[in-house]
Amino acid sequence: GNSVTQMEGPVTLSEEAFLTINCTYTATGYPSLFWYVQYPGEGLQLLLKATKADDKGSNKGFEATYRKETTSFHLEKGSVQVSDSAVYFCALSGETGGGNKLTFGTGTQLKVEL
Amino acid sequence: DAGITQSPRYKITETGRQVTLMCHQTWSHSYMFWYRQDLGHGLRLIYYSAAADITDKGEVPDGYVVSRSKTENFPLTLESATRSQTSVYFCASTETGQGEAFFGQGTRLTVV
Repeated sequence: GNSVTQMEGPVTLSEEAFLTINCTYTATGYPSLFWYVQYPGEGLQLLLKATKADDKGSNKGFEATYRKETTSFHLEKGSVQVSDSAVYFCALSGETGGGNKLTFGTGTQLKVEL
Repeated sequence: DAGITQSPRYKITETGRQVTLMCHQTWSHSYMFWYRQDLGHGLRLIYYSAAADITDKGEVPDGYVVSRSKTENFPLTLESATRSQTSVYFCASTETGQGEAFFGQGTRLTVV
């Protein structure tokens, strides 16, 4: 079945540092890929998405490129801020024989310090 | 207000009791989902529904029951709560199943 593997956290960075959170996936067919963000005490909200190979999703300075050859969708940001502290989830959506549904990674907690 | 709402936000219940978590969405999205979030496991799918009166099991369905008589509502029932069901529960909806999912704010359930 479908699965998502993302790097374990927590990740602690200084403000303005470069961020990479790795995400790889296993899926049949051509899934859509997503990054969701969860701020403390809140539900998840979509950060960015890509629906086909070589697509780049971007939002709020974050970027991720859908790499089919390496089955990856790594999240990057050039300069993080304290306000980026949150838990980040990689996810895919694809047909699994029982209908389309989202499969999530375990989440990576990011803490940005001054 | 438009959106997806869960109730209650917090619930403490005793082992063996039945408890129902409510989820309501105003967009008429076809797909609705229930996830539980636990440390070290991320979000795990409990049940999902592709339309009214159509439901299917996810990854961890044991001990849970769902129904979807109306498109906008998708309640989750724990038939006989156990301590292992202590978790944060999230409801979500999407129009197609492939697009952006919208999440409720979660219900923190504690079983004592």
